[in-house]
Amino acid sequence: DIVMTQSPDSLAVSLGERATISCKSSRSVFYTSNTKNYLAWYQQKPGQPPKVLIYWASTRESGVPDRFSGSGSRTDFTLTISSLQPEDVAVYYCQQYHTSPWTFGQGTTVEIK
Amino acid sequence: EVQLVQSRAELKKPGEDLKISCKASGYSFTTYWIGWVRQIPGKGLEWLGIIYPGDSDTRYSPSFQGQVTISADNSINTAYLQWSRLEASDTAMYYCAKTSSDNWFDTWGQGTQVIVSS
Repeated sequence: DIVMTQSPDSLAVSLGERATISCKSSRSVFYTSNTKNYLAWYQQKPGQPPKVLIYWASTRESGVPDRFSGSGSRTDFTLTISSLQPEDVAVYYCQQYHTSPWTFGQGTTVEIK
Repeated sequence: EVQLVQSRAELKKPGEDLKISCKASGYSFTTYWIGWVRQIPGKGLEWLGIIYPGDSDTRYSPSFQGQVTISADNSINTAYLQWSRLEASDTAMYYCAKTSSDNWFDTWGQGTQVIVSS
């Protein structure tokens, strides 16, 4: 299995400040045939199912605010919230869909400082 | 509107069997993968497996192979997750999710809570 490791496990950020979450995969999730990274980011708020924010490592899902951005390639990825808002309090997961089983990271909890 | 509606919460005893469902609407059921994800209370997301209803191709996580069975009934646009003998450790929220054409999960069900307790 490809192991996905997120850091930190939790972080507290002041409103309006930047939040940065790292996700590392144990093997590359990049396909040279189409030059795409098979990496998605999800947001899960308490009592709700997850919701996709980013796919192909950096493509924002329709309707997702532009303060959310994804970057990285092959084994190292980052989710950035440029200016944290109260509604961004949630757990964030990365997931690779390159190789079955399509594994998730352990999650990062984002809170308001 | 694309929707996945899951069956209600279940309270079962160890050793019992169970089949939970995920009814899809608003898209062509046979042309996208549907997956199942487990979330133990207070923990992260675990990928159990997926099925392609078009040809019933099914993939399991090695961690769950033999522990659960995933199936689909194309006549009623419904996917299933089943257990033959539940254990207390199966207590969790179970989500179904539809993939996009390129395999990230773009739509999720509301979740089915399964509690296994004597």
